[in-house]
Amino acid sequence: KQEVTQIPAALSVPEGENLVLNCSFTDSAIYNLQWFRQDPGKGLTSLLLIQSSQREQTSGRLNASLDKSSGRSTLYIAASQPGDSATYLCAASSGTYKYIFGTGTRLKVLA
Amino acid sequence: DTEVTQTPKHLVMGMTNKKSLKCEQHMGHRAMYWYKQKAKKPPELMFVYSYEKLSINESVPSRFSPECPNSSLLNLHLHALQPEDSALYLCASSQPPLGQGVPTDTQYFGPGTRLTVL
Repeated sequence: KQEVTQIPAALSVPEGENLVLNCSFTDSAIYNLQWFRQDPGKGLTSLLLIQSSQREQTSGRLNASLDKSSGRSTLYIAASQPGDSATYLCAASSGTYKYIFGTGTRLKVLA
Repeated sequence: DTEVTQTPKHLVMGMTNKKSLKCEQHMGHRAMYWYKQKAKKPPELMFVYSYEKLSINESVPSRFSPECPNSSLLNLHLHALQPEDSALYLCASSQPPLGQGVPTDTQYFGPGTRLTVL
């Protein structure tokens, strides 16, 4: 059974710092991995999707990498801003339609 | 338009009530999902519809009854719920894979319905 964990659970950084969020999954036979952000009490916003054949994806200040062999994905946020404060979730697809979500990292960027 | 809408935003119901949650998307997606999310926990998959047919039911209690009347709409009918069913209910959509292929498309989520069962 696929299990997805995220470290750290919470992170507080000053504005302008570059930071890395980690996502680990137990079953390397994933189809793809998606990163989301969620603001308090809101729905999820997709940030990046990495297909199993890809190593990384980039969008603006965000870069996500995928290493299936080690069961890891990282989300790199460059030059963090207070508006980046949210919970970040990774989700691994272990079958058609079945995404297993990680435990999330609550990020706070201080002005 | 990359929007998934959900109504109502908030719902309070008693354990004997019958209510429905609604979800709508106009992106032409043919896969639609219901997730349940408790406070400070990740979303948990409940149901998946693909081409208006139920593809996945994650052993959800029968007091939750999904319905997909057409390719744009997804409903979740609620009956005789328990207080522990109080949560944020999220709808999502994506484009299903072609044939037996793997999903390559992003999931788009709605804002959710905050459900409180008294």
